[in-house]
Formats: sequence, structure tokens, C-alpha cells
Amino acid sequence: DQQVKQNSPSLSVQEGRISILNCDYTNSMFDYFLWYKKYPAEGPTFLISISSIKDKNEDGRFTVFLNKSAKHLSLHIVPSQPGDSAVYFCAASVPGTYKYIFGTGTRLKVLA
Amino acid sequence: DGGITQSPKYLFRKEGQNVTLSCEQNLNHDAMYWYRQDPGQGLRLIYYSQIVNDFQKGDIAEGYSVSREKKESFPLTVTSAQKNPTAFYLCASSITGGRQETQYFGPGTRLLVL
Repeated sequence: DQQVKQNSPSLSVQEGRISILNCDYTNSMFDYFLWYKKYPAEGPTFLISISSIKDKNEDGRFTVFLNKSAKHLSLHIVPSQPGDSAVYFCAASVPGTYKYIFGTGTRLKVLA
Repeated sequence: DGGITQSPKYLFRKEGQNVTLSCEQNLNHDAMYWYRQDPGQGLRLIYYSQIVNDFQKGDIAEGYSVSREKKESFPLTVTSAQKNPTAFYLCASSITGGRQETQYFGPGTRLLVL
């Protein structure tokens, strides 16, 4: 039972345009979400997070939106740069535990 | 530079053999984690340690063992009982292991079965 889903395995975007990566979850009790970025042959690096008490969090070119009623979050990258090409994972904090549930990842390719 | 190191980068295992993956951190973090990544799947938690000499099983601990004798080290042994060990293994750490803490990852070890 995949509780955190990233339904788009890949996405291609032109440099300078907006990249939108999506993540859906099934457990309404999830209260904290993170996005990680992963380059080939490297470990994931933390990008941005959002608590369920907010619906938006912004950090430079990266903005995460949370729609609790739809159990959906999205990561917006504006403007997209070739260096943003990587795999992006969303993760949800499991209530009452130290655990995170990770999505399957979306591979973003930013075309120059 | 503070960080997490994993070695080796690639590891080959023969049938019936135990192999140990190394994970070391100099971030002074209390908590350390082991995850497994398979193609088309998210990261799955194998084991977790919040403090030296203590660790708990994650979601897929069968066929794996760990030790935490030092704060900075959390080696993972893939035993012969793990029937499908081929995967990418990631080690991570966080400050205390509390809820909603950011986890910092090492570069990973890819294990292949011969």
C-alpha cells in the first residue's frame, strides 16, 4: 500500500520555465512533508519542507504548496535551470513515529 | 567538511555470503538510519538507531542486522537470509531522531549479487 505517490515518473521542462512536481498521499494524519533532490550516484539532499498548518512555503526559486483537502502537495521551481535536473522525492512524516514515507520519485530534466 | 560517508560505492555478494556496508558520520548526530531503494520504489526503512547501543527494526529488517557501538558509525550487514539483496542502500542521520527532523543522506552503496 503506497501511502505517498508520485504518479509522474519523469518530467521535461524548458530552461526558464516553471517545473511543477506533484505528490499525493492517502493518510490525512500526515502532518509534515519534505522534498528531497537526488543526483545520480549521490544521496538525496534536503530541499524544502512544509508543515500541515501551512499551505505554502517558499525558499528562493522553490515553493511547496499543500492542499490538505485534496491530500496533495506540489513543488514549483521557477525559473527552472539545467542544474535542477535530478530525481525529486517527496516524503511524509508518520504521526507518532520518527519515520518518513517516501514517494517513488520524479525525474526532472531541464532542457537548455 | 561535515557529512556522511558510505563505503564501498559498489559491493558484490556471492550466494550464502554476508556483507557489511559501512556508514560513518561526523555531524555529531545522535540518530542514524538505513534505507533501501529499489527501481520504481521509494526509500524503505531497514533499521534505525536513536542512540549508541540501541536500534530498532524498520519496515523491511528481515535478512539485515546492524550495530551501533559508536555514535559516528552504523554498519549494516546484509546476511545470507536476505534473498533479494540487490539494491541501492542509503544511510542517513539526523540530530536527535525526533519527529519532523531533516535527515541527511550519504552517497549510497550499490549492492549486486554475483
